[in-house]
Amino acid sequence: QTVVTQEPSLTVSPGGTVTLTCASSTGTVTSVYYANWFQQKPGQTPRALIYSTTYKHSWTPARFSGSLLGGKAALTLSGAQPEDEAEYYCLLYYDDAWFFGGGTKLTVL
Amino acid sequence: QVHLVESGGGVVQPGGSLRLSCAASGFTFSAYGMHWVRQVPGKGLEWVAVVSDDGWHTQYGDPVKGRFSISRDNSKNTVYLEMNRLTPEDTALYHCAKRTTGRWQDAFDIWGQGTMVTVSS
Repeated sequence: QTVVTQEPSLTVSPGGTVTLTCASSTGTVTSVYYANWFQQKPGQTPRALIYSTTYKHSWTPARFSGSLLGGKAALTLSGAQPEDEAEYYCLLYYDDAWFFGGGTKLTVL
Repeated sequence: QVHLVESGGGVVQPGGSLRLSCAASGFTFSAYGMHWVRQVPGKGLEWVAVVSDDGWHTQYGDPVKGRFSISRDNSKNTVYLEMNRLTPEDTALYHCAKRTTGRWQDAFDIWGQGTMVTVSS
């Protein structure tokens, strides 16, 4: 069973920059893992932010970007806003199945 | 506007069965694969199953393989999740989700609000 690992929690100052990462127990994350990122606020359904590693949805704020970094998938938030405080989940595709990370609780403080 | 509405959740005893439905609107349903994803309230997300746009190809997460079956009816714009031999570990909010693009690997973008399944005696 593939295990996907994210930072349990991170804190960023308003206006600051933070990078969330997503690692796979199968090894280096590359483009063929088609990494996705989702944002979930309390009591809400998850909202898709990034697909296929770097692509934004039409509703994704420009301050979010996806990349590969040091063998992991990464989500960078540049210019954090108070409304960005949420849980963030990555999702990786591997061996014809999809695997979520445990989530990163991002605090904007 | 894309809209997904799940139904069919409820309370079921261990070992029982349940059939979830997801009615889709606002997009060309037959052109997109569909997924089911679940979440225990207050916990993380778990991918459950996927069905291709034409219904011929399916795949399942290990925890549900052999017990759950995903299918679709493109004439009714509906995707289903048949769940058998349910255990308390299957208790969760079940969401259906629309695949992002025409590419199999591209996961999902739009989610429904979910339907709650509780497995308890």
